[in-house]
Amino acid sequence: KQEVTQIPAALSVPEGENLVLNCSFTDSAIYNLQWFRQDPGKGLTSLLLIQSSQREQTSGRLNASLDKSSGRSTLYIAASQPGDSATYLCAVSRSGGGADGLTFGKGTHLIIQP
Amino acid sequence: DTAVSQTPKYLVTQMGNDKSIKCEQNLGHDTMYWYKQDSKKFLKIMFSYNNKELIINETVPNRFSPKSPDKAHLNLHINSLELGDSAVYFCASSPGGAYTDTQYFGPGTRLTVL
Repeated sequence: KQEVTQIPAALSVPEGENLVLNCSFTDSAIYNLQWFRQDPGKGLTSLLLIQSSQREQTSGRLNASLDKSSGRSTLYIAASQPGDSATYLCAVSRSGGGADGLTFGKGTHLIIQP
Repeated sequence: DTAVSQTPKYLVTQMGNDKSIKCEQNLGHDTMYWYKQDSKKFLKIMFSYNNKELIINETVPNRFSPKSPDKAHLNLHINSLELGDSAVYFCASSPGGAYTDTQYFGPGTRLTVL
């Protein structure tokens, strides 16, 4: 059974710092990995999706990497801003295609101090 | 335009009642999902529907029944509500078919069972 772990559970850093969020998964037979952002009381917003054949994806100040063989992904946030404060969730989709649901980690609660 | 919408946003009801949550997507996606986020903020897949066929049922009690009148809608009906059903329920959709792609989430329905 796939398990997804995110470290740290919470992180508070001053504005402007670069930071890394970690995600690990137990079964490397994934189809893709997604990073989401969830604001308090809101739904999830997809940030980046990395297919299993890819090593990284970039969007603006965000860069996500994937090492499928070791079961790890990182989300790098450059020049953090107070607006980046949210919970960041990592989720994997198992391989084989089809209509699979995602297996989520418990998230990293990020606070960027102004 | 809202891509994935859910109604109601909040639902407060008594134990033993039957309730439904509606979900609609206007993205033309083939697959829709229901997720449950518990009090500890852990998101877990409940169901997915692809072209009106149930694909996944992750050990969800049979008091929960997804109903899809058409490709754009996946409603969640819950019978005999219990205290432990209190959670936030998220609907999502993806292009589905042979590949699993980015999932788009609705804003969530906060269910409180008294």
